[in-house]
Amino acid sequence: EDKVVQSPLSLVVHEGDTVTLNCSYEVTNFRSLLWYKQEKKAPTFLFMLTSSGIEKKSGRLSSILDKKELFSILNITATQTGDSAVYLCAVDANDMRFGAGTRLTVKP
Amino acid sequence: KAGVTQTPRYLIKTRGQQVTLSCSPISGHRSVSWYQQTPGQGLQFLFEYFSETQRNKGNFPGRFSGRQFSNSRSEMNVSTLELGDSALYLCASSLERTGRAFFGQGTRLTVV
Repeated sequence: EDKVVQSPLSLVVHEGDTVTLNCSYEVTNFRSLLWYKQEKKAPTFLFMLTSSGIEKKSGRLSSILDKKELFSILNITATQTGDSAVYLCAVDANDMRFGAGTRLTVKP
Repeated sequence: KAGVTQTPRYLIKTRGQQVTLSCSPISGHRSVSWYQQTPGQGLQFLFEYFSETQRNKGNFPGRFSGRQFSNSRSEMNVSTLELGDSALYLCASSLERTGRAFFGQGTRLTVV
C-alpha cells in the first residue's frame, strides 16, 4: 500500500532557527511530490517537485527531492512566528496520498 | 480570481441522517478532489472528479459518494452518518488531474 511518512511529527524552535522537515514515501506510479502549509483550514501550496536533485526556493523556504532514496526535505531558514503551522507532504501517485504532517511552532 | 468555495462552512447532523456538501472550483479548473481530515487519521483522499467522471476513489465505504456537474462544481454526499464521520471535509481544485491543487476552507461536519 502506498504510504507517505513525515518526520518529526512536531517541532518547537525559536525565531531565527533553521528547520528541516522530512518526507519519505513508498508509492507506485509516482508523479510528483507536493508540500503544503496548513495554518487554520485550507492548506496552501508551497512547492511541487518532480525531478531529483533540483532545489526549489521561495524566499526562506526551499525543498529538494531524491527519487532514488524516495524522500524530500523542506528547509526553512531564519524562522519567524508566522511560520508556525502544520506542513503537509503529499505524493501524487495512484491517488493523492498525504503524510500526517509536521506541526512547527516558532517561539519569539 | 475567486478561490475554491465550499458550502456550508459548518454543519451539525444527527447519526443516521445524510448530508450533502458542495464545492465550487476555481474558474477553469476541471479537476476536483475531496479529502477528509481528522486529528487521528490526518488528510485522507476520498475521490477525484475530472470532466464529470470519477477518476479515482479512496478507501472509504460506499456511504461516501460524489458527483461533478458540467460546470465543474462538485458535491459529495454521506449517507447514514456515523459519529466517526465528524471531520473537516476539504475540496481542492486543479487545472488538470495532476499538479498544484488549491484548497477550499472546508466544511466542518459534526455528527451527534
